[in-house]
Amino acid sequence: EIVLTQSPATLSLSPGERATLSCRASQSVGSYLAWYQQKPGQAPRLLFYDASNRATGIPARFSGSGSGTDFTLTISSLEPEDFAVYYCQQRSSWPPLLTFGGGTKVEI
Amino acid sequence: QVQLQESGPGLVKPSETLSLTCTVSGGSITNYYWNWIRQPPGKGLEWLGYIYYSGSTNYSPSLKSRITISVDTSKNQFSLRLSSVTAADTAVYYCARDKGRGGSFNGWFDPWGQGILVTVSS
Repeated sequence: EIVLTQSPATLSLSPGERATLSCRASQSVGSYLAWYQQKPGQAPRLLFYDASNRATGIPARFSGSGSGTDFTLTISSLEPEDFAVYYCQQRSSWPPLLTFGGGTKVEI
Repeated sequence: QVQLQESGPGLVKPSETLSLTCTVSGGSITNYYWNWIRQPPGKGLEWLGYIYYSGSTNYSPSLKSRITISVDTSKNQFSLRLSSVTAADTAVYYCARDKGRGGSFNGWFDPWGQGILVTVSS
């Protein structure tokens, strides 16, 4: 089973600052990685898929990059609504086994 | 715009079977893959399994002996059954559609239902 490790566990920043979140896979997942945002009491929302493809309606201040085992989610300038928990998720080859990282909380 | 809604009992006794249904509205269940995902209180996300509208399934190995996912295309619904539950199965359960269109599988979850909290307790 592929394990995803997210770092840091918590990121304390102020509005307007840049946030850089890391997701590392225990073995290569190619570009088969997604990022989700989850706010308290809400379901997760897809931000990026295939590592760098922005989902519908996601602002341009969010960007996703990486391949293989190392991936990054960057928020160029934090807005108040961006403070949330972010999860990465991978899909392995057929039959697919889908796993999530442990999450990074971006707090004020 | 497609919407998903989970329904079912919020309280299940230990050793019994947890049963939930996801109703899909605003779109057809046909030609998509449909997933169940859960999140224990204060913890991370765990994918449980998926079903294709035709009935083929794929389950997480950690739950394979206890999980069944089924689909009812006439009602635009799919369901989760998890047997022999324990307190460790207490979680918010989400249903979600795979992002792939036209029968293709992507492995990404979009959209999601709002989730339903299921507590396992006597």
